[in-house]
Amino acid sequence: VQLVQSGSEVKKPGASVTVSCKPSTNTFINYDFAWVRQAPGQGLEWMGWITSHNGNANYARKLQGRVSLTTDTSMATAYMELRSLTSDDTAVYYCARLQGGWLDPWGQGTLVTVSS
Amino acid sequence: EVVLTQSPGTLSLSPGEGATLSCRASQSISSSFLAWYQQKPGQTPRLLIYDTSSRASDIPDRFTGSGSGTDFTLTINRLEPEDFAVYYCQQYATSLYTFGQGTKLEIK
Repeated sequence: VQLVQSGSEVKKPGASVTVSCKPSTNTFINYDFAWVRQAPGQGLEWMGWITSHNGNANYARKLQGRVSLTTDTSMATAYMELRSLTSDDTAVYYCARLQGGWLDPWGQGTLVTVSS
Repeated sequence: EVVLTQSPGTLSLSPGEGATLSCRASQSISSSFLAWYQQKPGQTPRLLIYDTSSRASDIPDRFTGSGSGTDFTLTINRLEPEDFAVYYCQQYATSLYTFGQGTKLEIK
């Protein structure tokens, strides 16, 4: 099973970005998803998770109010929206399948660059 | 929020040697809900260990996870050239999951 993410994005400060994540199989309804980001040269930062079957989501405190995780079961796709972007949000954004708390597999990553 | 502190920040070793990587939690992690990941430059993180000591699929047995409470360890026996990478621990004992800051394992 692979997770395929949408392509790189360049955004201006204050804008919003949406990254999509689609499993390569049709077992989407059984998936919970996590989102993680990694700023250039930095470590992994937990963003949140969402369950596909009922849409329950949990967000990192640092991003509360700016991030929204959703799923579209008809499109078998998960989405991460981040609002009010600043240069500090420049990072590679990863989706991953959440299995019992651990993450496997991971998507290929989506580079989001915030620049004026 | 559980803070995970990994040590050392950088570990310099030679192929064939053994490595011991530490992950210390700011509070006790119940039910051993801790995972380890490997990330090579330019690559996606890869799950190595979950539930403290269970190896993920296709992970060689030279990788061993152990620990409990607040102290956890990833041991790598007989380092291979492909093992030099950055390693992260992650806890999922609370609803707010967190990662450690990473340990870089470099060739000496």
